[in-house]
Amino acid sequence: NAGVTQTPKFRILKIGQSMTLQCTQDMNHNYMYWYRQDPGMGLKLIYYSVGAGITDKGEVPNGYNVSRSTTEDFPLRLELAAPSQTSVYFCASSGRGQGNNEQFFGPGTRLTVL
Amino acid sequence: DQQVKQNSPSLSVQEGRISILNCDYTNSMFDYFLWYKKYPAEGPTFLISISSIKDKNEDGRFTVFLNKSAKHLSLHIVPSQPGDSAVYFCAASARTSGTYKYIFGTGTRLKVLA
Repeated sequence: NAGVTQTPKFRILKIGQSMTLQCTQDMNHNYMYWYRQDPGMGLKLIYYSVGAGITDKGEVPNGYNVSRSTTEDFPLRLELAAPSQTSVYFCASSGRGQGNNEQFFGPGTRLTVL
Repeated sequence: DQQVKQNSPSLSVQEGRISILNCDYTNSMFDYFLWYKKYPAEGPTFLISISSIKDKNEDGRFTVFLNKSAKHLSLHIVPSQPGDSAVYFCAASARTSGTYKYIFGTGTRLKVLA
């Protein structure tokens, strides 16, 4: 079991470029999440999905898009990258939607926008 | 508006002693509280949770205490070990739009001195 994998690990983008952060889980989890963590801050929810074909906005969705065509994959798309999107991005999944349910996190993608 | 606060950015404790990490929250609608541990260059990993209707939950060396009237929870680690050195995040969950979402604190960096 690889758990939650994220690619790439690091990326530097120029302002205005776009990219897709990949996230894959092999635990057959229905719930998947994208968070960002800025320096000295907690994780903030960008988007989440409760199953294939169903996505919804989190706390900080502006500048991002997601899709969920399969249970395993939940890519995060950045269009027109801005310096404010410099952050570490974490993808997570969980098997159930209960409030005390453990989320499994990927190792993160460190993104710098210059 | 930070709904979940960890006011101590860092804490140093001698090996074998007790580590106490604190977390305060403002939203009385939170149903569950969770603690995650994060090592450098890795994603957070789940440690322990507590329901809002409980005041204590224990798992091995880790115990979480909840004081609802004070809107305060704490994580006790006894005895502390060098391998416990990590950043600890407190998180709270509430059900909105039919799905549980999580608010994370800013983290406390614990250093256990050998």
